[in-house]
Amino acid sequence: AQSVTQLDSHVSVSEGTPVLLRCNYSSSYSPSLFWYVQHPNKGLQLLLKYTSAATLVKGINGFEAEFKKSETSFHLTKPSAHMSDAAEYFCVVSDWAAGNKLTFGGGTRVLVKP
Amino acid sequence: NAGVTQTPKFRVLKTGQSMTLLCAQDMNHEYMYWYRQDPGMGLRLIHYSVGEGTTAKGEVPDGYNVSRLKKQNFLLGLESAAPSQTSVYFCASTLFSGENTEAFFGQGTRLTVV
Repeated sequence: AQSVTQLDSHVSVSEGTPVLLRCNYSSSYSPSLFWYVQHPNKGLQLLLKYTSAATLVKGINGFEAEFKKSETSFHLTKPSAHMSDAAEYFCVVSDWAAGNKLTFGGGTRVLVKP
Repeated sequence: NAGVTQTPKFRVLKTGQSMTLLCAQDMNHEYMYWYRQDPGMGLRLIHYSVGEGTTAKGEVPDGYNVSRLKKQNFLLGLESAAPSQTSVYFCASTLFSGENTEAFFGQGTRLTVV
C-alpha cells in the first residue's frame, strides 16, 4: 500500500524568503509523485510531477521539488515566497499500476507574511 | 475548454435526504474518480471508474454509490445523507493508467448535511 506523509501541517514564511514543504512517501515500486496546490475555495492545480527523467523537477510559479529515493522524500521548495503563494499544498503519490488511484498527504497550509 | 465540470457547486441537505452529484469531462478520459476532502486529511478516494460501465470502491465507499453509464459522466449518489458526509467533493479524471499520468480536477462541490 502507498502512503504519503507531509511533515508540516502549517508553514509560515515572510515574503521574499525561501519556502520548504516536506513530503515523505511509501511505495512498493517506482512511484509517480506530484505536488498540487489549492487556493482558498478553489480546485486543485498541478504544480509539478516527477517523471523519472530527472530527480530535480521544475514546476510552475518558481516551485521545484527534488526526488530522493534513498530518503523516500519529495520536498517542495521555492527560493522566494510571494503573497500569492498562500494556499494549501498536497503531496500526492499515484498507484499507476492499479487505476491511477491517488493517495494524498494531509496537506500543508502556507501563510505568507508581508 | 471546460475540462472537468461538477454540478452543483453547493448544496445543503437534511439528514436522510438523497442527492446525486454530477461530474462531466470533455477530454475523452477513460478514468474518473470521486474524492472527498476533509480538514487535515487531504483527499480520500470514494469510488472510481476505469471505463464506461465499470466502477470500483476506493478508500471510503460506505454510504455512496456511483454510476458511469456514459464515458464522459460519472455520478456520485448519496441515498440517505448523514452529517458525517458533510465535506467538499472533488471529481477527477485521467486519460489512462500509466506512470506520471496527470489527474485533472473539477472545482469541487461543497455539501453540508444538517
